[in-house]
Amino acid sequence: GAVVSQHPSRVICKSGTSVKIECRSLDFQATTMFWYRQFPKKSLMLMATSNEGSKATYEQGVEKDKFLINHASLTLSTLTVTSAHPEDSSFYICSAKTARDRGYEQYFGPGTRLTVT
Amino acid sequence: AQTVTQSQPEMSVQEAETVTLSCTYDTSESDYYLFWYKQPPSRQMILVIRQEAYKQQNATENRFSVNFQKAAKSFSLKISDSQLGDAAMYFCAYRSFRSGNTPLVFGKGTRLSVIA
Repeated sequence: GAVVSQHPSRVICKSGTSVKIECRSLDFQATTMFWYRQFPKKSLMLMATSNEGSKATYEQGVEKDKFLINHASLTLSTLTVTSAHPEDSSFYICSAKTARDRGYEQYFGPGTRLTVT
Repeated sequence: AQTVTQSQPEMSVQEAETVTLSCTYDTSESDYYLFWYKQPPSRQMILVIRQEAYKQQNATENRFSVNFQKAAKSFSLKISDSQLGDAAMYFCAYRSFRSGNTPLVFGKGTRLSVIA
């Protein structure tokens, strides 16, 4: 149980275009989802926290108009990279948790590799 | 704010031997969770082990065990009988007990190589 999927796993887009990444909790309701960015051989950097039905909370330094996060349902959150540039190329990981348990478990998606050309 | 420090960027171990990965953290809270995550080349994050701060007993999961020293704010991971499949990035992480919305705070990671 507790599976999180991400789609697509890899995406290549041209500079200036927008790309959407989906994160789904397959067998549980995710009250909170987290979006991370990971550079090669680096740690996970938290970008934002989103709760179902409310606006995402962005970390300092993350442009909310560039990285649009929507958490419209308890099983789906999306990250849209708008007007993508080569420096946005990275590995993006979503993570979800449910309020059902004691709150310590975070389930991770397999990640999406974004390449902007 | 809480911070997590992993002072070993890289470690290596011979197959079947034991290795210990270090982690220290800084917090003013008394209740929290600590985790070790493994990230293999596939990049999928895998939970290895977790520890609740209020528990004095060190957590164990098969070949993986932790040495949790609350006063010293230390949380090391011991891998026994190392296997080739243990080669990965290992991240130590902290979560506050306060609220379910608080995210994990990660250390910078330790890259573990296993030598056959």
